[in-house]
Amino acid sequence: EDQVTQSPEALRLQEGESSSLNCSYTVSGLRGLFWYRQDPGKGPEFLFTLYSAGEEKEKERLKATLTKKESFLHITAPKPEDSATYLCAVWHGGFKTIFGAGTRLFVKA
Amino acid sequence: DGGITQSPKYLFRKEGQNVTLSCEQNLNHDAMYWYRQDPGQGLRLIYYSQIVNDFQKGDIAEGYSVSREKKESFPLTVTSAQKNPTAFYLCASSIIASHETQYFGPGTRLLVL
Repeated sequence: EDQVTQSPEALRLQEGESSSLNCSYTVSGLRGLFWYRQDPGKGPEFLFTLYSAGEEKEKERLKATLTKKESFLHITAPKPEDSATYLCAVWHGGFKTIFGAGTRLFVKA
Repeated sequence: DGGITQSPKYLFRKEGQNVTLSCEQNLNHDAMYWYRQDPGQGLRLIYYSQIVNDFQKGDIAEGYSVSREKKESFPLTVTSAQKNPTAFYLCASSIIASHETQYFGPGTRLLVL
C-alpha cells in the first residue's frame, strides 16, 4: 500500500538549534515529492518539489533533500517564525497525491 | 495577484442541511481538487477535476458532491448524507492534474450545530 510517514510528529527546538524532519515513503515509481508549510487555520503553502534521488533545494533556512526511500527537510538556525506544521506529499504519476500527517515544529526564542 | 480563494472561512451546518463551500482560482489552472483535513491525519482527497464539466471521485467522496461549470470555480456541497462533516476543507489547483505542484486556498472550517 502506498504510504507516506512523517517523523517526528512534533519537534521542539530552541532558536538557532538546527535539526531535520523526515518523510519516508513506500510509493513505487516516485514522480515527485512536495514539501508544504501550514500555519494554524490556514492552507498549506508550497515550499519545494523534488523529482529525483540526489536532488536538493534550498529556501532561506530550509533545505530539502531526496533519496530513493525518504526526504529530509533540514532547518538551519531556526527562528520562532519557522514554527508551523510541515507537510510532505508524494506523487507517483496517477491523479492522486498522497500526503503525510505532518510534523509540528515549535521554535522557542 | 493570482491565487485561490475559499469562502466562507467558517461554516455552520444544522442537522439534515446541505451546505456549499466555494472555491475560485485565477491561476488559469486546469485541475482543481477538494481535500478534507482532520487532526493527526494527512489530507484526504474528496473529488478532483481535470477539465470543465468533468470530475472524479477521490478516496472519501461519499456524502459530498461537486460541479465544474467554469474553469475558475469548483464548489463543494456537503450533503446531509455526510454524517461526520466537521473538518477543515481545502481546495487546491494545479496546471495539469497532479503533473505539477498543487497550490492551496486558505481553507473553510465546517462545524456542526
